[in-house]
Amino acid sequence: DIQLTQSPSFLSASVGDRVTITCRASQGISSYLAWYQQKPGKAPKLLIYAASTLQSGVPSRFSGSGSGTEFTLTINSLQPEDFATYYCQQLNSYPLTFGGGTKVEIK
Amino acid sequence: QLQLQESGPGLVKPSETLSLTCTVSGGSISSTSYYWGWIRQPPGKGLEWIGTIYFIGSTHYNPSLKSRVTISVDTSKTQFSLKLSSVTAADTAVYYCARQTWTGGYYFMDVWGKGTTVTVSS
Repeated sequence: DIQLTQSPSFLSASVGDRVTITCRASQGISSYLAWYQQKPGKAPKLLIYAASTLQSGVPSRFSGSGSGTEFTLTINSLQPEDFATYYCQQLNSYPLTFGGGTKVEIK
Repeated sequence: QLQLQESGPGLVKPSETLSLTCTVSGGSISSTSYYWGWIRQPPGKGLEWIGTIYFIGSTHYNPSLKSRVTISVDTSKTQFSLKLSSVTAADTAVYYCARQTWTGGYYFMDVWGKGTTVTVSS
């Protein structure tokens, strides 16, 4: 199975900050990576797929990069509605796996 | 607009079988571009993929659950279902169904149900 390690697991940031979350895969997964945002009591929401393609309707302050084993999700100018937990997911091969999550809280 | 809705008992006794159904509305379950998946989230924890099914019935399961999981599809009802046998308290979670889209050579889960909480307790 492909393991995904997210870092940090928790971060505290202020509105307007630039935030970067890293996801490392235990083996190469090309660009078969997606990022999701989850708010308390809600289902995950797709933000980015194919490592860097922004899902329709997602604000452009979200961006993704990387390939192979290292990936990043960047949020430029953090907004109040961005405080949530973020997960990466690999869709390179079954079994599909998720990272452990990064909780972004207000400083 | 495509919507997914999970349904099933919210309480299951230990050693029994958990059964959930996901109803797809506003779109086709038989499109060649879509797969259909189940994901769960234990209280306060992260997401765990359970399995995925294609409309013709082919499946992929999480090896950690494979011996206990069956996912099936009923295209006439635009539904797909999850059965998890011999449940324990560790199976207590919010269960989500999701559409797994294939496009441009990439997969992603772009439509999710709201989730249903299942508690395993006597």
